[in-house]
Amino acid sequence: DSGVTQTPKHLITATGQRVTLRCSPRSGDLSVYWYQQSLDQGLQFLIQYYNGEERAKGNILERFSAQQFPDLHSELNLSSLELGDSALYFCASSVVVDGAHVSFGPGTRLTVL
Amino acid sequence: AQTVTQSQPEMSVQEAETVTLSCTYDTSESNYYLFWYKQPPSRQMILVIRQEAYKQQNATENRFSVNFQKAAKSFSLKISDSQLGDTAMYFCAFMASNAGNMLTFGGGTRLMVKP
Repeated sequence: DSGVTQTPKHLITATGQRVTLRCSPRSGDLSVYWYQQSLDQGLQFLIQYYNGEERAKGNILERFSAQQFPDLHSELNLSSLELGDSALYFCASSVVVDGAHVSFGPGTRLTVL
Repeated sequence: AQTVTQSQPEMSVQEAETVTLSCTYDTSESNYYLFWYKQPPSRQMILVIRQEAYKQQNATENRFSVNFQKAAKSFSLKISDSQLGDTAMYFCAFMASNAGNMLTFGGGTRLMVKP
């Protein structure tokens, strides 16, 4: 158990809909990262938050947004969903901005029908 | 931008044998970390081993060791005494020390350990 929790484990929805994925980082970790794992794109970094502020941005679509709350949990919002958004979404956390000691959550499997 | 390449999409090895997974990367950074992650059928991402680029000594973790060739930008993973539980996808990953802290992953190598 990495200490990083993600909910829900599975999510099935329709095209055009909006969903929210939730992540609670490991106790004491201030930095949260979101990654997408899809069949065609592999594992890609989406976005990083550190202590409530956006720190780094990767290949995140404009339809996607994220935030980190004062209690350090983070949410990834995906809107106007398309079939190609079907993927495994991982949250990871680390103590400091330095991501060298990163723990991954179990992931949320999103299926868009 | 950094790129990570794993040239072996699939590999297999007999139980108790040794197998080496290849990884090459491209970067202009001088300070960085390299990782091998294991993803079993459960899909959990598990850190296998980590190497700091400034360290010349190759990292080892029990049956897992790396061959880090900085000049060649090569970072291979050797698994000794392979076990059935080693069956998984293995991802090589790169992180620059001062470039946003994101991990850049290779495409993965699917390893099957046969009894």
